[in-house]
Amino acid sequence: AQSVTQLDSQVPVFEEAPVELRCNYSSSVSVYLFWYVQYPNQGLQLLLKYLSGSTLVKGINGFEAEFNKSQTSFHLRKPSVHISDTAEYFCAVRRTDSWGKFQFGAGTQVVVTP
Amino acid sequence: NAGVTQTPKFQVLKTGQSMTLQCAQDMNHEYMSWYRQDPGMGLRLIHYSVGAGITDQGEVPNGYNVSRSTTEDFPLRLLSAAPSQTSVYFCASSYSPTEAFFGQGTRLTVV
Repeated sequence: AQSVTQLDSQVPVFEEAPVELRCNYSSSVSVYLFWYVQYPNQGLQLLLKYLSGSTLVKGINGFEAEFNKSQTSFHLRKPSVHISDTAEYFCAVRRTDSWGKFQFGAGTQVVVTP
Repeated sequence: NAGVTQTPKFQVLKTGQSMTLQCAQDMNHEYMSWYRQDPGMGLRLIHYSVGAGITDQGEVPNGYNVSRSTTEDFPLRLLSAAPSQTSVYFCASSYSPTEAFFGQGTRLTVV
C-alpha cells in the first residue's frame, strides 16, 4: 500500500516570494510521483511528474520538484510566486507496475497575497 | 478532442434520491476511475475499471455503483443519496500509469 503526507495544510506567501510545498510518501513498491494543481472551482491540472532519471523535475508555470529517494520526499518549489498561483496543490503517487489508483495527499492550500 | 467530460457540473439532490453522474472520454483509454474530493482528505478512489465489462471497488465504494458497457463511458450511480455524499466528484482516464486525464468535476450537494 502507498500513503502520501503533505506536511502543510495551508501556506500563506507574499507575491514574488519563494514557496515550498512538502510531500513525503511511503510505498513498498516502485511508484511514480505527481503534483497536481486545482484552481478555485476547477478540475485538476498536472504540474509535473517524476518517472525516472534526473531527480530534479521541471513543470509548468515555473514550478519544479525534487525527488529524494532516501527521504522518500517529493517537495515542490517555485522561486517567485504570483497572485495567480493561489490554488490547492496535491501530491500523488501511483504504482509503476499497473494502472492502479492514485494515492493523493490531503492537499496544501497556497494563498498568495500582495 | 474533448478529453474527459463530466456531466452535470453541479447538482443538488434530496436525501434518498438517486442519480447518475456521467463520465465520457474520447481517447480510447482502457482505465477509468472515479474519485471524490472532500476538504482535508484529498481525493479518494470510489470505483475503477480496467476495460469494458470490468469494474472494481476502490477505497470508498459504499453507496455507489458503476458499470462499464463501453470503453468511452463510465457512469457513477448513487442509489439513495445521503448528506455524507456531498462532495466534488472527479472522473479520470488513463492509458498508462504515467498519465492521467481528469474531468472538470461534478459538485454534488445532498440536502
